[in-house]
Amino acid sequence: TQLLEQSPQFLSIQEGENLTVYCNSSSVFSSLQWYRQEPGEGPVLLVTVVTGGEVKKLKRLTFQFGDARKDSSLHITAAQPGDTGLYLCAGVNYGGSQGNLIFGKGTKLSVKP
Amino acid sequence: DAGVIQSPRHEVTEMGQEVTLRCKPISGHDYLFWYRQTMMRGLELLIYFNNNVPIDDSGMPEDRFSAKMPNASFSTLKIQPSEPRDSAVYFCASTPRTGELFFGEGSRLTVL
Repeated sequence: TQLLEQSPQFLSIQEGENLTVYCNSSSVFSSLQWYRQEPGEGPVLLVTVVTGGEVKKLKRLTFQFGDARKDSSLHITAAQPGDTGLYLCAGVNYGGSQGNLIFGKGTKLSVKP
Repeated sequence: DAGVIQSPRHEVTEMGQEVTLRCKPISGHDYLFWYRQTMMRGLELLIYFNNNVPIDDSGMPEDRFSAKMPNASFSTLKIQPSEPRDSAVYFCASTPRTGELFFGEGSRLTVL
Protein backbone atom coordinates (compact mmCIF):
# COMPACT_ATOMS: atom_id res chain seq x y z
CA THR A 1 0.00 0.00 0.00
CA GLN A 2 1.38 3.36 -0.97
CA LEU A 3 1.53 5.94 1.78
CA LEU A 4 2.26 9.63 1.94
CA GLU A 5 3.56 10.70 5.34
CA GLN A 6 3.19 14.36 6.22
CA SER A 7 5.09 16.09 8.99
CA PRO A 8 4.66 17.72 11.32
CA GLN A 9 1.09 16.72 12.02
CA PHE A 10 0.40 19.99 13.86
CA LEU A 11 2.21 23.31 13.78
CA SER A 12 1.40 26.46 15.73
CA ILE A 13 3.47 29.56 15.05
CA GLN A 14 3.38 33.34 15.40
CA GLU A 15 2.69 35.68 12.54
CA GLY A 16 5.87 36.55 10.65
CA GLU A 17 7.67 33.25 11.27
CA ASN A 18 8.88 30.94 8.50
CA LEU A 19 7.96 27.27 8.34
CA THR A 20 8.45 24.15 6.27
CA VAL A 21 6.17 21.12 6.07
CA TYR A 22 7.09 17.83 4.49
CA CYS A 23 5.48 15.10 2.44
CA ASN A 24 7.40 11.83 2.17
CA SER A 25 6.89 8.44 0.58
CA SER A 26 8.85 5.35 -0.36
CA SER A 27 6.99 5.32 -3.67
CA VAL A 28 7.67 7.28 -6.83
CA PHE A 29 4.91 9.53 -8.15
CA SER A 30 4.44 11.01 -11.59
CA SER A 31 3.33 14.26 -9.99
CA LEU A 32 2.36 15.66 -6.63
CA GLN A 33 -0.32 18.12 -5.65
CA TRP A 34 -0.66 20.39 -2.62
CA TYR A 35 -4.08 21.42 -1.33
CA ARG A 36 -5.14 23.75 1.47
CA GLN A 37 -8.33 23.09 3.41
CA GLU A 38 -9.94 25.71 5.63
CA PRO A 39 -12.38 24.74 8.40
CA GLY A 40 -15.80 23.80 7.09
CA GLU A 41 -14.66 23.74 3.47
CA GLY A 42 -13.26 21.32 0.95
CA PRO A 43 -9.59 21.22 -0.07
CA VAL A 44 -8.47 23.69 -2.74
CA LEU A 45 -5.55 23.00 -5.06
CA LEU A 46 -2.51 25.23 -4.53
CA VAL A 47 0.00 23.73 -6.96
CA THR A 48 1.00 20.67 -8.95
CA VAL A 49 4.67 19.71 -9.29
CA VAL A 50 5.62 17.37 -12.09
CA THR A 51 9.37 17.30 -12.69
CA GLY A 52 11.90 15.90 -10.22
CA GLY A 53 13.68 18.81 -8.53
CA GLU A 54 11.03 21.29 -9.64
CA VAL A 55 10.49 24.40 -7.54
CA LYS A 56 7.32 26.46 -7.81
CA LYS A 57 6.51 29.68 -6.03
CA LEU A 58 3.10 31.05 -5.16
CA LYS A 59 3.61 34.42 -3.47
CA ARG A 60 5.08 33.52 -0.05
CA LEU A 61 4.73 29.77 -0.61
CA THR A 62 7.55 27.73 -2.17
CA PHE A 63 6.95 24.14 -3.25
CA GLN A 64 9.67 21.66 -4.13
CA PHE A 65 9.44 18.19 -5.64
CA GLY A 66 12.26 15.84 -4.67
CA ASP A 67 14.75 14.75 -7.32
CA ALA A 68 13.57 11.15 -6.99
CA ARG A 69 9.90 12.16 -7.08
CA LYS A 70 9.26 10.53 -3.72
CA ASP A 71 8.96 13.60 -1.54
CA SER A 72 7.99 17.24 -1.50
CA SER A 73 8.17 20.23 0.78
CA LEU A 74 6.21 23.41 1.27
CA HIS A 75 7.95 26.44 2.71
CA ILE A 76 6.01 29.50 3.87
CA THR A 77 7.84 32.77 4.40
CA ALA A 78 6.53 35.33 6.90
CA ALA A 79 3.39 33.36 7.74
CA GLN A 80 0.13 35.24 8.18
CA PRO A 81 -3.09 34.28 10.00
CA GLY A 82 -4.70 33.77 6.60
CA ASP A 83 -2.31 30.85 6.01
CA THR A 84 -4.06 28.90 8.77
CA GLY A 85 -5.50 25.63 7.53
CA LEU A 86 -4.86 21.97 6.78
CA TYR A 87 -2.20 21.42 4.13
CA LEU A 88 -2.60 18.16 2.21
CA CYS A 89 -0.25 16.59 -0.28
CA ALA A 90 -1.54 14.12 -2.84
CA GLY A 91 0.52 11.87 -5.11
CA VAL A 92 -0.46 10.80 -8.60
CA ASN A 93 0.70 7.34 -9.66
CA TYR A 94 2.57 6.66 -12.84
CA GLY A 95 0.22 5.41 -15.51
CA GLY A 96 -2.64 5.65 -13.11
CA SER A 97 -6.07 6.90 -13.74
CA GLN A 98 -7.60 9.86 -12.02
CA GLY A 99 -8.56 7.55 -9.19
CA ASN A 100 -4.97 6.83 -8.26
CA LEU A 101 -4.56 10.01 -6.22
CA ILE A 102 -3.23 9.22 -2.75
CA PHE A 103 -3.63 11.81 0.00
CA GLY A 104 -1.49 12.30 3.07
CA LYS A 105 -3.23 13.02 6.38
CA GLY A 106 -2.12 16.63 6.31
CA THR A 107 -0.35 19.23 8.42
CA LYS A 108 -2.65 21.42 10.48
CA LEU A 109 -1.15 24.91 10.60
CA SER A 110 -2.23 27.62 13.01
CA VAL A 111 -0.74 31.09 12.62
CA LYS A 112 -1.42 33.37 15.57
CA PRO A 113 -1.49 37.15 15.15
CA ASP B 1 -19.83 28.29 -12.22
CA ALA B 2 -21.32 27.38 -8.83
CA GLY B 3 -18.73 24.71 -8.10
CA VAL B 4 -19.45 21.26 -6.71
CA ILE B 5 -22.65 21.35 -4.69
CA GLN B 6 -23.30 18.92 -1.87
CA SER B 7 -26.31 18.40 0.35
CA PRO B 8 -27.05 18.24 3.15
CA ARG B 9 -24.22 20.21 4.81
CA HIS B 10 -24.98 18.60 8.14
CA GLU B 11 -26.87 15.44 9.01
CA VAL B 12 -27.50 14.01 12.44
CA THR B 13 -29.22 10.65 12.54
CA GLU B 14 -29.65 7.65 14.74
CA MET B 15 -27.94 4.33 14.29
CA GLY B 16 -29.81 2.10 11.88
CA GLN B 17 -31.31 4.91 9.82
CA GLU B 18 -30.71 5.34 6.11
CA VAL B 19 -28.58 8.29 5.05
CA THR B 20 -28.44 9.74 1.53
CA LEU B 21 -25.84 12.30 0.55
CA ARG B 22 -26.13 14.18 -2.72
CA CYS B 23 -23.69 15.79 -5.11
CA LYS B 24 -23.92 17.95 -8.20
CA PRO B 25 -20.56 18.07 -9.99
CA ILE B 26 -19.24 20.93 -12.09
CA SER B 27 -20.76 20.84 -15.54
CA GLY B 28 -18.47 19.24 -18.10
CA HIS B 29 -16.35 17.32 -15.61
CA ASP B 30 -15.94 13.68 -16.62
CA TYR B 31 -14.91 12.32 -13.24
CA LEU B 32 -16.72 12.31 -9.91
CA PHE B 33 -15.24 11.14 -6.62
CA TRP B 34 -16.63 10.42 -3.18
CA TYR B 35 -14.20 10.80 -0.25
CA ARG B 36 -14.58 10.38 3.50
CA GLN B 37 -12.49 12.45 5.92
CA THR B 38 -11.81 11.67 9.57
CA MET B 39 -9.11 12.81 11.96
CA MET B 40 -7.79 9.29 12.32
CA ARG B 41 -7.67 8.23 8.67
CA GLY B 42 -7.54 11.50 6.75
CA LEU B 43 -9.11 11.62 3.27
CA GLU B 44 -10.11 8.20 1.99
CA LEU B 45 -11.36 7.55 -1.54
CA LEU B 46 -14.59 5.58 -1.44
CA ILE B 47 -15.55 5.36 -5.11
CA TYR B 48 -15.13 7.24 -8.35
CA PHE B 49 -17.05 7.47 -11.62
CA ASN B 50 -15.98 8.28 -15.16
CA ASN B 51 -18.74 9.41 -17.50
CA ASN B 52 -21.32 8.18 -14.96
CA VAL B 53 -19.83 4.66 -14.82
CA PRO B 54 -18.35 3.41 -11.52
CA ILE B 55 -14.67 2.66 -12.11
CA ASP B 56 -13.30 1.73 -8.70
CA ASP B 57 -15.38 1.06 -5.61
CA SER B 58 -12.69 -0.79 -3.67
CA GLY B 59 -12.70 1.95 -1.05
CA MET B 60 -16.33 1.44 -0.12
CA PRO B 61 -16.11 0.11 3.45
CA GLU B 62 -18.82 -2.51 3.22
CA ASP B 63 -22.10 -3.43 1.64
CA ARG B 64 -23.93 -0.86 3.73
CA PHE B 65 -22.47 1.77 1.40
CA SER B 66 -23.68 2.28 -2.15
CA ALA B 67 -23.23 5.03 -4.71
CA LYS B 68 -25.00 5.86 -7.94
CA MET B 69 -24.60 8.36 -10.72
CA PRO B 70 -27.78 8.26 -12.82
CA ASN B 71 -26.67 11.18 -15.02
CA ALA B 72 -23.78 13.58 -15.52
CA SER B 73 -25.15 16.15 -13.09
CA PHE B 74 -26.10 14.08 -10.06
CA SER B 75 -24.68 11.45 -7.74
CA THR B 76 -25.75 9.94 -4.43
CA LEU B 77 -23.95 8.12 -1.67
CA LYS B 78 -26.21 6.02 0.51
CA ILE B 79 -25.52 4.35 3.83
CA GLN B 80 -28.06 1.80 5.01
CA PRO B 81 -28.12 1.04 7.88
CA SER B 82 -25.89 3.75 9.34
CA GLU B 83 -23.58 3.11 12.30
CA PRO B 84 -21.77 5.50 14.68
CA ARG B 85 -18.42 4.64 13.07
CA ASP B 86 -19.73 6.13 9.81
CA SER B 87 -19.58 9.59 11.41
CA ALA B 88 -17.27 11.69 9.24
CA VAL B 89 -17.22 14.46 6.66
CA TYR B 90 -18.07 13.14 3.22
CA PHE B 91 -16.71 15.05 0.24
CA CYS B 92 -17.67 14.92 -3.38
CA ALA B 93 -15.14 16.12 -5.95
CA SER B 94 -15.12 16.41 -9.71
CA THR B 95 -12.51 17.00 -12.35
CA PRO B 96 -12.01 17.18 -16.08
CA ARG B 97 -8.93 15.36 -17.33
CA THR B 98 -6.51 17.99 -15.97
CA GLY B 99 -5.85 16.32 -12.64
CA GLU B 100 -7.05 19.12 -10.34
CA LEU B 101 -9.80 17.97 -8.02
CA PHE B 102 -12.59 20.44 -7.28
CA PHE B 103 -14.16 19.62 -3.95
CA GLY B 104 -17.56 20.48 -2.57
CA GLU B 105 -17.94 21.89 0.92
CA GLY B 106 -18.67 18.47 2.36
CA SER B 107 -21.50 16.80 4.26
CA ARG B 108 -20.83 16.36 7.97
CA LEU B 109 -22.53 13.17 9.15
CA THR B 110 -23.08 12.33 12.80
CA VAL B 111 -24.61 8.96 13.64
CA LEU B 112 -25.76 8.68 17.24
